[in-house]
Amino acid sequence: SAVISQKPSRDICQRGTSLTIQCQVDSQVTMMFWYRQQPGQSLTLIATANQGSEATYESGFVIDKFPISRPNLTFSTLTVSNMSPEDSSIYLCSVEGEPSAKQETQYFGPGTRLLVL
Amino acid sequence: ELKVEQNPLFLSMQEGKNYTIYCNYSTTSDRLYWYRQDPGKSLESLFVLLSNGAVKQEGRLMASLDTKARLSTLHITAAVHDLSATYFCAVTSYSGAGSYQLTFGKGTKLSVIP
Repeated sequence: SAVISQKPSRDICQRGTSLTIQCQVDSQVTMMFWYRQQPGQSLTLIATANQGSEATYESGFVIDKFPISRPNLTFSTLTVSNMSPEDSSIYLCSVEGEPSAKQETQYFGPGTRLLVL
Repeated sequence: ELKVEQNPLFLSMQEGKNYTIYCNYSTTSDRLYWYRQDPGKSLESLFVLLSNGAVKQEGRLMASLDTKARLSTLHITAAVHDLSATYFCAVTSYSGAGSYQLTFGKGTKLSVIP
């Protein structure tokens, strides 16, 4: 299993500013994923972050708005840039379990609750 | 594009009753997950289902998978208040980058009432 921590756990930000969310995993992982969960909604994948390469963004998400760093195998950051109230969501970091162990699940961090005023 | 549909989206049930949540998905996948989310919390993994006919049970919850019908069910037996939460199913698909991604259903908000 993997233990994931995120910082900050929550924040209230002014529109037009940026926030960087950190994700730390207690073991080395190849893939890290960033999801958004808007209030009362399901989860939507923002991007997949591979160490040493550019993140892969899903449709509707762009690097200028959500730049991601992946400097090593246990850490990643997601920045929400030039925020607007529509960015108010929970942002979750996720990692996959051991790929060779197909029974492994995908683990989620505790989330960062963001409110943009 | 992979679509995942859950129903019902809202479920209010009495303690002691049984009920089933359904998860349909639109394209072939080799893994299906069930997660639980309590209010204000992250996702807790409940089950990983890999093959046709797979059935897994944990306490009052039992999950099954029919890959031919592209259907998974989460059956609740003799519900208790502690089961009140939102339940998500999620299905894997593979990206061109060689990794997989999860596509989530909208979730079923379960309330168990005395």
